[in-house]
Amino acid sequence: AQSVSQHNHHVILSEAASLELGCNYSYGGTVNLFWYVQYPGQHLQLLLKYFSGDPLVKGIKGFEAEFIKSKFSFNLRKPSVQWSDTAEYFCAVNRRRDDKIIFGKGTRLHILP
Amino acid sequence: DTGVSQNPRHKITKRGQNVTFRCDPISEHNRLYWYRQTLGQGPEFLTYFQNEAQLEKSRLLSDRFSAERPKGSFSTLEIQRTEQGDSAMYLCASSIGGSNEQFFGPGTRLTVL
Repeated sequence: AQSVSQHNHHVILSEAASLELGCNYSYGGTVNLFWYVQYPGQHLQLLLKYFSGDPLVKGIKGFEAEFIKSKFSFNLRKPSVQWSDTAEYFCAVNRRRDDKIIFGKGTRLHILP
Repeated sequence: DTGVSQNPRHKITKRGQNVTFRCDPISEHNRLYWYRQTLGQGPEFLTYFQNEAQLEKSRLLSDRFSAERPKGSFSTLEIQRTEQGDSAMYLCASSIGGSNEQFFGPGTRLTVL
């Protein structure tokens, strides 16, 4: 069965620090990869997605992620975080377009002002 | 607001009672998904519809759970004889077939006493 593993459950950083959140998935075939974000009091929203092509994907708010097929990884990065990036981040995968999405357990990111 | 809407936002019920939640997808989105999220976990897939057809159900969806989308627009999720373990956030998402981008609603938080 597919699974998604997020390396860190809780990350605390100061503003302007660099961010990297780890994500690994278990499925060996073709996959579609996502990062979703949930800001406090808001609903889940898509941060970025990878379907095919350039493995370096750029999303909203300065986030990017790199798909490394050989490592089954899709790590999320941001060079300089802001207090407003405080949120919970979910890595996710599906196997086919429009299929159900399998989510990781999430990483709570807390940015100190 | 043209996003996915869910009602009610909160539901408190006593064990053994039946509850029903409603999801209104984004207009013209033909795919509708239900997920459940418990504390410290990412969303877990329950079921999804393409138009009015229920295409897949998770093994998490016991026989006490039933979902419908009778006219291919809004959907309802009913839980019969609720148990304390049913306490969770129930999330609805919708998408346009082929887009592989699911838009999430705010969720219905169920508390079973």
